[in-house]
Amino acid sequence: NAGVTQTPKFRILKIGQSMTLQCAQDMNHNYMYWYRQDPGMGLKLIYYSVGAGITDKGEVPNGYNVSRSTTEDFPLRLELAAPSQTSVYFCASSYEGARSYGYTFGSGTRLTVV
Amino acid sequence: ILNVEQSPQSLHVQEGDSTNFTCSFPSSNFYALHWYRWETAKSPEALFVMTLNGDEKKKGRISATLNTKEGYSYLYIKGSQPEDSATYLCALLNTGTASKLTFGTGTRLQVTL
Repeated sequence: NAGVTQTPKFRILKIGQSMTLQCAQDMNHNYMYWYRQDPGMGLKLIYYSVGAGITDKGEVPNGYNVSRSTTEDFPLRLELAAPSQTSVYFCASSYEGARSYGYTFGSGTRLTVV
Repeated sequence: ILNVEQSPQSLHVQEGDSTNFTCSFPSSNFYALHWYRWETAKSPEALFVMTLNGDEKKKGRISATLNTKEGYSYLYIKGSQPEDSATYLCALLNTGTASKLTFGTGTRLQVTL
């Protein structure tokens, strides 16, 4: 199994550009999450989904959008990129929530906005 | 916003030393606590999920304990090896948060020969 696959691994965006960070999992996990990690800070939750067609905001959702049309895919859209969105982005998934199972993380996308 | 605190922020030990770190969290509405190991340039990997007060979990030389009444968890590494060098994250799940983990900032461990 591939687990959680994130693409791209690296990207440089200019201010005002848009892009979509892709996340796919092949473990049939219902729960999926997007986190960002800034230096010296913990992982901050951007958006999450508890199943196809259901998404909700996390702690830092401004400037981002998500969709969950299938169980497997959970893309994160950045509209009008800003320097404050320079970060490392991690997608994660879990089976039936985090009470019994740990998250499986993707390898991350390092995004720089210049 | 939940406050999950980890200490120390970083730690430097010699090979063979045993070490431990602390994760502190608000004890009200506790549901589960996770520990992750995060090597540089890789993604976090789950070590333990703990749910009951007094839980003790072990994986090789790494073990963890949980005290939900006082709001802390300890992670122990016995006989540290250079390959244990990583950042160790704890994360809290509270009731009513729809399975959203709140992460601490981590303890960065460096083990040298």
